[in-house]
Amino acid sequence: DAGVIQSPRHEVTEMGQEVTLRCKPISGHDYLFWYRQTMMRGLELLIYFNNNVPIDDSGMPEDRFSAKMPNASFSTLKIQPSEPRDSAVYFCASKSSSGHQETQYFGPGTRLLVL
Amino acid sequence: SQQGEEDPQALSIQEGENATMNCSYKTSINNLQWYRQNSGRGLVHLILIRSNEREKHSGRLRVTLDTSKKSSSLLITASRAADTASYFCATATHTGANSKLTFGKGITLSVRP
Repeated sequence: DAGVIQSPRHEVTEMGQEVTLRCKPISGHDYLFWYRQTMMRGLELLIYFNNNVPIDDSGMPEDRFSAKMPNASFSTLKIQPSEPRDSAVYFCASKSSSGHQETQYFGPGTRLLVL
Repeated sequence: SQQGEEDPQALSIQEGENATMNCSYKTSINNLQWYRQNSGRGLVHLILIRSNEREKHSGRLRVTLDTSKKSSSLLITASRAADTASYFCATATHTGANSKLTFGKGITLSVRP
C-alpha cells in the first residue's frame, strides 16, 4: 500500500486566500484524522471522521476551518480566509478499527505558509 | 491542554549509549503509544502499551507503564545515529468510536556518531 497520501506537500499563499488540503487514507481504514503541528502548540487534533462521518470537531480553531469526507478514500481540509497564524504543518492520519487496532498511520504532511 | 508531557525536552547522547525518555499524563488511559518523527516527515508508530500492561519490548525498544504514577518511559538501547528524531507519547482515553490520541510536545533526541 502507498500509505496515507497528502497534497500538496507545500503551499505558500497570501493572507485572505482560500487553502484546500487533501488526503487519501490507506485503503480499508475507517478512521481519518486531521492534525496541525506548530512549534508553539505541538501536535493538535483538529477533527476526525469514522466511516466518513465527523465524530469530533472540537479542535477546529474557528469557522474559517472546515473539513469534509465525501467518500472513504478522500478528505479535504479547507481554510477560508487564511491568516498568517494558520502557518503550520498539517497532517492527515488514518486507522483501521478491525481487530481493535489503535495505531494511526500518518501522511507526510502539508507545510503551509500564509504570508 | 496536553495530556502527555515528555521529559526531557531534548536529549543528546553518543552512539551506543541508551536513551531514556519519559512521559507523564493526567487522566486515566486505555493505552499509551510512542511515535517517532524524523525531520520533515510524518509520525511513525513505534509501540503501544495497554493500561493493563506494565512492560513491552520491540527490538531495541522497551516501554514501561506505571498507571499509579501516570507515567511511561521509552528506552532505546544501543542507540544509533539513525535514531536521531523527535519522539512523542500519545494517550488514548477511549477505544472504538470515541478513540482519539492526545500527543505531547515531543522529545528531540540527537545521537552523535
